Amino acid sequence: DQQVKQNSPSLSVQEGRISILNCDYTNSMFDYFLWYKKYPAEGPTFLISISSIKDKNEDGRFTVFLNKSAKHLSLHIVPSQPGDSAVYFCAASARETGANNLFFGTGTRLTVIP
Amino acid sequence: GAGVSQTPSNKVTEKGKYVELRCDPISGHTALYWYRQSLGQGPEFLIYFQGTGAADDSGLPNDRFFAVRPEGSVSTLKIQRTERGDSAVYLCASSSLVANTGELFFGEGSRLTVL
Repeated sequence: DQQVKQNSPSLSVQEGRISILNCDYTNSMFDYFLWYKKYPAEGPTFLISISSIKDKNEDGRFTVFLNKSAKHLSLHIVPSQPGDSAVYFCAASARETGANNLFFGTGTRLTVIP
Repeated sequence: GAGVSQTPSNKVTEKGKYVELRCDPISGHTALYWYRQSLGQGPEFLIYFQGTGAADDSGLPNDRFFAVRPEGSVSTLKIQRTERGDSAVYLCASSSLVANTGELFFGEGSRLTVL
């Protein structure tokens, strides 16, 4: 049972434009959400996170939006750069329950076209 | 070391053999996690250590899989009687429960291929 879902396996965006990656979750106990970026033959690296008490978190070109009522979050990258081309994983955890393990989506492969 | 270190980076074995995968976490990180990533999938949780003890092993698929962390630092994931379906990238991650940012730091993974 996939508790975190990324329904778009791939996305192509022109350099300089906005990339929007989407993620849905089913478990209402999730209270912390993260985005990881993964290059081939490397482990996932942390990008940005958001707590369920917020609806937006911004870090440079990256912004994560959380809609708790819809159980939906999105990652916006603007402006997109060719170096952003990677697989992006959405992840969630239920920290209030004491659980620290993350549940991951299946990933979205972003290609930024120069 | 500066990051999470995993060895071997690649392991090819035959069906039925025994395999050990090693993880050296970031120094000072008390929490250690094992994940498995199959082709086209996201990382799937296997087991979580807090110190030397397994705090949550609910993700281990069956009793052929076992993990230890005897001194609270290095961990070994052990797979007995390997099957072709065990082929995947095994990722290790660590985190600081003191900082408690919720962020996991991943190693580069050990790619296991069972022939």
